[in-house]
Amino acid sequence: EIVLTQSPGTLSLSPGERASLSCRASQSVTSTYLAWYQQKPGQAPRLLIYGASSRATGIPDRFSGSGSGTDFTLTISSLQPEDVATYYCQKYNKGVPLTTFGQGTRLEI
Amino acid sequence: QVQLQESGPGLVKASETLSLTCTVSSGSMSTYYWSWIRQHPGKGLEWIGYIYYNGNTFFNPSLNSRVTMSLDTSKNQFSLKLPSVTAADTAVYYCAREHTWNRSFDFWGQGTLGTVSS
Repeated sequence: EIVLTQSPGTLSLSPGERASLSCRASQSVTSTYLAWYQQKPGQAPRLLIYGASSRATGIPDRFSGSGSGTDFTLTISSLQPEDVATYYCQKYNKGVPLTTFGQGTRLEI
Repeated sequence: QVQLQESGPGLVKASETLSLTCTVSSGSMSTYYWSWIRQHPGKGLEWIGYIYYNGNTFFNPSLNSRVTMSLDTSKNQFSLKLPSVTAADTAVYYCAREHTWNRSFDFWGQGTLGTVSS
């Protein structure tokens, strides 16, 4: 089973700062199958990034994804107050279980 | 814009069956996977399984084969049944559309809280 480990657990930054959120996989993950989600309190998750680096429809360009193999990063270039949320990475692979999520990074601004 | 909406009893007694339905508005169910994901209170996301538009299913083995899913394309609905529930099954249950080629979840329902009572 491939395990996704996100760090840090909590990130506290100021408006306008740059945030870098890490997602490390215990085994290599195909970049096509790595995604990032944003979940605000009381809401469903929202897809931000798919294929490791492609922004989903309607996602501001301050959100970007990068990485390959076992190390992936979500970057928020200039934090806005509305970016307060928990962020999850997710992978798919042909082992079981097919889909797993990281434990999340909570972003405080 | 695709919208998903979960429905079903919010309160289930222990040892009974949790049954949820997801209604998909706008668009065809073809060529997508239709998934269920749950989130225990204050915890992260757990993938339960999917049903493909052709009826094929695949589940998370952590649920010990308790899960069944079904699909009714004429009503644009898919369903989850989880029998023999315990308190550990209390969670918010989300339905979501899973993209065929990159396996990301691009549309989600708002979620429904399923509470198991003793």
